Amino acid sequence: GEDVEQSLFLSVREGDSSVINCTYTDSSSTYLYWYKQEPGAGLQLLTYIFSNMDMKQDQRLTVLLNKKDKHLSLRIADTQTGDSAIYFCAERGAGGFQKLVFGTGTRLLVSP
Amino acid sequence: GAGVSQSPSNKVTEKGKDVELRCDPISGHTALYWYRQSLGQGLEFLIYFQGNSAPDKSGLPSDRFSAERTGGSVSTLTIQRTQQEDSAVYLCASKGRAGELFFGEGSRLTVL
Repeated sequence: GEDVEQSLFLSVREGDSSVINCTYTDSSSTYLYWYKQEPGAGLQLLTYIFSNMDMKQDQRLTVLLNKKDKHLSLRIADTQTGDSAIYFCAERGAGGFQKLVFGTGTRLLVSP
Repeated sequence: GAGVSQSPSNKVTEKGKDVELRCDPISGHTALYWYRQSLGQGLEFLIYFQGNSAPDKSGLPSDRFSAERTGGSVSTLTIQRTQQEDSAVYLCASKGRAGELFFGEGSRLTVL
């Protein structure tokens, strides 16, 4: 079945770059997504990448996709304290119902 | 509406009582999803609606859980005879054109 894995925790200093990694198992994934969840809030879509792309950049965010290794990463440049949150990666398979399968989330802590 | 709206935002109930959680998706979105997020956990898929029908109920954890959607819009998730393990944040999402999910703020359920 589908499985998405992430490391649980990442700590960086303000101004550094953060790289959050994700691996998935479904080779038929069509889209992959990154969501951000701040304390007590719902999930906010940050960005997504189609499976035939290997990179997407959106302001401070860079998504890299290695489809051969089923590896997705999110790089946040110039990380700020406001970036502290839980980051979830999710993949959408090619199946008919197209539900998103989420990882367990990576808690990013940015210290001043 | 402008975003996905969920109510109540917080619900405290006694074990054995029934609860109803409501989701109002983004206007025009035909696909609607319910997920559950337990403390410190990732997102667990519950059920998916396309229009008023639910082709994928595979994630409902027991027959105490049911959901319906009427008029292709509002959805209600009902939990009968609640148990303490039902305590979680219940998240609703509607689907955009690229398959991305737009989440509500969630309904936090606490079963005493």
